[in-house]
Amino acid sequence: GAVVSQHPSWVICKSGTSVKIECRSLDFQATTMFWYRQFPKQSLMLMATSNEGSKATYEQGVEKDKFLINHASLTLSTLTVTSAHPEDSSFYICSPGLAGDHEQFFGPGTRLTVL
Amino acid sequence: RKEVEQDPGPFNVPEGATVAFNCTYSNSASQSFFWYRQDCRKEPKLLMSVYSSGNEDGRFTAQLNRASQYISLLIRDSKLSDSATYLCVVNRGSSYKLIFGSGTRLLVRP
Repeated sequence: GAVVSQHPSWVICKSGTSVKIECRSLDFQATTMFWYRQFPKQSLMLMATSNEGSKATYEQGVEKDKFLINHASLTLSTLTVTSAHPEDSSFYICSPGLAGDHEQFFGPGTRLTVL
Repeated sequence: RKEVEQDPGPFNVPEGATVAFNCTYSNSASQSFFWYRQDCRKEPKLLMSVYSSGNEDGRFTAQLNRASQYISLLIRDSKLSDSATYLCVVNRGSSYKLIFGSGTRLLVRP
């Protein structure tokens, strides 16, 4: 399977600060990146889909100005949670999309806690 | 109605038991089906894809019924290490977007 890393693995921040999460595909080039979040005891919910070099497509209900996604290269995508609030506390997971393959592999996730 | 529905459980079974999980999906255009396993505070990991003809991987058997839009996972000879949450996952229509069920929690006791 694909090797994906995320950094940081966990972060605690004060309300109002911005947090950047990096997702790297280590052994292949990801033209597409999916970003998910998972609240406790809930399912993974797709937040947005990004394609390298173009703007991300956000799912309904996800604020694009709050969750900034940059996919500038085929091996790196970033998600920035701007002006984080306690309700943004969640488990954020990236997943590179492999062309022609519906199977997805996931990064190890970033646990965000906003105080 | 949720796009993918699962019984949340928990299923509490003794070691060696056989346990079955079910899942229903609402989009008849879905083409890809998977079972993922998620351990506490970890990312999901692919357990197996589900094919129309049914497929088996060791102690795990997956079945798909397209007419009823129903997917199942059977685990035989349960091990303590099988304790986890099992996620039923379906792609949304013909797209690559995956829709996750909320998961079924399995607890295997000694």
